[in-house]
Amino acid sequence: NAGVTQTPKFQVLKTGQSMTLQCAQDMNHNSMYWYRQDPGMGLRLIYYSASEGTTDKGEVPNGYNVSRLNKREFSLRLESAAPSQTSVYFCASKGTGETGELFFGEGSRLTVL
Amino acid sequence: AQSVAQPEDQVNVAEGNPLTVKCTYSVSGNPYLFWYVQYPNRGLQFLLKYITGDNLVKGSYGFEAEFNKSQTSFHLKKPSALVSDSALYFCAVRDSGNTGKLIFGQGTTLQVKP
Repeated sequence: NAGVTQTPKFQVLKTGQSMTLQCAQDMNHNSMYWYRQDPGMGLRLIYYSASEGTTDKGEVPNGYNVSRLNKREFSLRLESAAPSQTSVYFCASKGTGETGELFFGEGSRLTVL
Repeated sequence: AQSVAQPEDQVNVAEGNPLTVKCTYSVSGNPYLFWYVQYPNRGLQFLLKYITGDNLVKGSYGFEAEFNKSQTSFHLKKPSALVSDSALYFCAVRDSGNTGKLIFGQGTTLQVKP
């Protein structure tokens, strides 16, 4: 039972390069989320998708785009990476029901030089 | 707006002693509250949640949390700490609306010493 799978686990980019972080869940969840984690700041929501075919901005969406490819997959794209986007990125999906908890992937550590 | 605060960056306890990790919240309406744990270089793992009902919530690995509405707190507790409990702990509150978004505190590092 894989749960939430993120790729890649590590990536180093140069300023201005682009890349896509991939996320897939096998729990048949409707809602998916992208968070970034920075020291002393907890986790901040970048984008979320309440259901297949919909996406919405979170707290810190600037510099990112997302695609909900299907019910399983939710990707995060950096079009022109900046050093401020150096962070650990987590994908999550929400369990069924209004009070379902979030299930997280193992994270993707991104460094932008 | 919904928010949570974890007033301590780090908590140090000796193995075998009780531990408390503090969390306070600010919400409009009824709070849905969560605790997560993060071990080094891993994702967040769900520990427990409060939705309604009994103010003492029991969760994974022997952890429990006490919901206190008058003090707007949701402190994480364990009667006897283990060295293996050393990790980063996050409190979170469900955002208003039905999107399922969680708003996280800044995290508290728990260090349990032998």
